[in-house]
Amino acid sequence: DSGVTQTPKHLITATGQRVTLRCSPRSGDLSVYWYQQSLDQGLQFLIQYYNGEERAKGNILERFSAQQFPDLHSELNLSSLELGDSALYFCASSAKQGFATEAFFGQGTRLTVV
Amino acid sequence: QQQVKQSPQSLIVQKGGIPIINCAYENTAFDYFPWYQQFPGKGPALLIAIRPDVSEKKEGRFTISFNKSAKQFSLHIMDSQPGDSATYFCAASMTGNTPLVFGKGTRLSVIA
Repeated sequence: DSGVTQTPKHLITATGQRVTLRCSPRSGDLSVYWYQQSLDQGLQFLIQYYNGEERAKGNILERFSAQQFPDLHSELNLSSLELGDSALYFCASSAKQGFATEAFFGQGTRLTVV
Repeated sequence: QQQVKQSPQSLIVQKGGIPIINCAYENTAFDYFPWYQQFPGKGPALLIAIRPDVSEKKEGRFTISFNKSAKQFSLHIMDSQPGDSATYFCAASMTGNTPLVFGKGTRLSVIA
């Protein structure tokens, strides 16, 4: 158990809908990272927050947004969903701000858009 | 410049064999090279990581070999066991706030 909790584990929704994925980082970790994993693209970095502030942005679509709350949990919001958004979404956390450090991944949320 | 190319895509070895997974990168500014292991239904977990000031690092049965001049690094699993069957990802980053760039993964099957 990595100590990172993601909910829900599975989500099935229709095209055009909006969903929210939730992540609770390991106790004490200030950095939260979101990744998308698909069969053809592998693991793609989406966005990082550190202590409530956005620190790095990757290949995140404009339809997607995220935030980190004062209690350090984070939410990833996906809107106007398309079939191609079906993927595994992982949250990871680390104690430090940078990426050159051990990050602990949650078990992921499997999103299926139908 | 930001890509990390990983090979092979899949690998089958007998128990006790030494699977080797290779990665190549272009960006010479990368200075952190981790390997992640992912079991089905789980998130990736850090296995071992290396920085370019050393050419080899061992942790238990797992060894990273690093060739700075060739811009390549590889993972060797000694005395592989069926429990090592998983997908392995190499990645690269640099000091500072540069996101990890992952390879596409290698699905390893260790058969008894």
